[in-house]
Amino acid sequence: AQSVTQLDSQVPVFEEAPVELRCNYSSSVSVYLFWYVQYPNQGLQLLLKYLSGSTLVKGINGFEAEFNKSQTSFHLRKPSVHISDTAEYFCAVSEVNAGNMLTFGGGTRLMVKP
Amino acid sequence: GAVVSQHPSRVICKSGTSVKIECRSLDFQATTMFWYRQFPKQSLMLMATSNEGSKATYEQGVEKDKFLINHASLTLSTLTVTSAHPEDSSFYICSAPPSGGSFGNQPQHFGDGTRLSIL
Repeated sequence: AQSVTQLDSQVPVFEEAPVELRCNYSSSVSVYLFWYVQYPNQGLQLLLKYLSGSTLVKGINGFEAEFNKSQTSFHLRKPSVHISDTAEYFCAVSEVNAGNMLTFGGGTRLMVKP
Repeated sequence: GAVVSQHPSRVICKSGTSVKIECRSLDFQATTMFWYRQFPKQSLMLMATSNEGSKATYEQGVEKDKFLINHASLTLSTLTVTSAHPEDSSFYICSAPPSGGSFGNQPQHFGDGTRLSIL
C-alpha cells in the first residue's frame, strides 16, 4: 500500500512571491504522481502529472513539480503566485499497472495575500 | 476534453430522507468510477469503486447498505445515501478515468462535487 504526506496544511504567501508545496510518498512499488487543485465547492482539476522521463514536469497556471526518487518527494512550485492561486492543493499517487485508484495526501491550503 | 458531470451540486434535506447523487461521463465511457467523501478542510477519502455491470467495491469502514452504488451503464454511476442523518453531511465527489485508462497513468476526471446537508 502507498501513502502520501503533505507536510504543510496551510501555506500563507504574499502575491508575486515564490511558493513550494511539499509532498512525500511511500510505496513498495513504482507509482505515478499527480497534483490536483480544488477551488471552493468544486471538484479537482489536474495541475500536472509525472509518469516517467524527465523528473521536472510543467503543468498549467505556471506550476511545476520535480520528482525526486531518492527522497520520495514530488514538491510543487510556482515562481510567482497570484491571488487567484488561493485554493486547496492535493498530491496523489497511483500504483503503476494496478488500476486507477488514487491515494491522496491531506491537502495544503495555499493562501495568497495581497 | 473529457468531462464528468455530477448532479445535484447541493442538497439540503431532512433527516431520514434518501438522497441520490448522479455521476455522468459526458463524452467517454467509464467502466469504473470512484466515489469520495470529503469533510471540511480534509482530504478526499475513497468510499467505493463503482464497476459497470457488477457490484461496487467498498473501502473498509464504509457501510454498503447506507451508501448504495449503482453503475448500470457505461456513462452513469449513482450513489444513494439511504436514510440520511446529520452525520452523513459532507461533500461527495465522483471521478472516472478516461476511456482506455486502466494502468494508473491516466489522470482521473472529477465531478464538481455534491454538498449534502442533512438537517
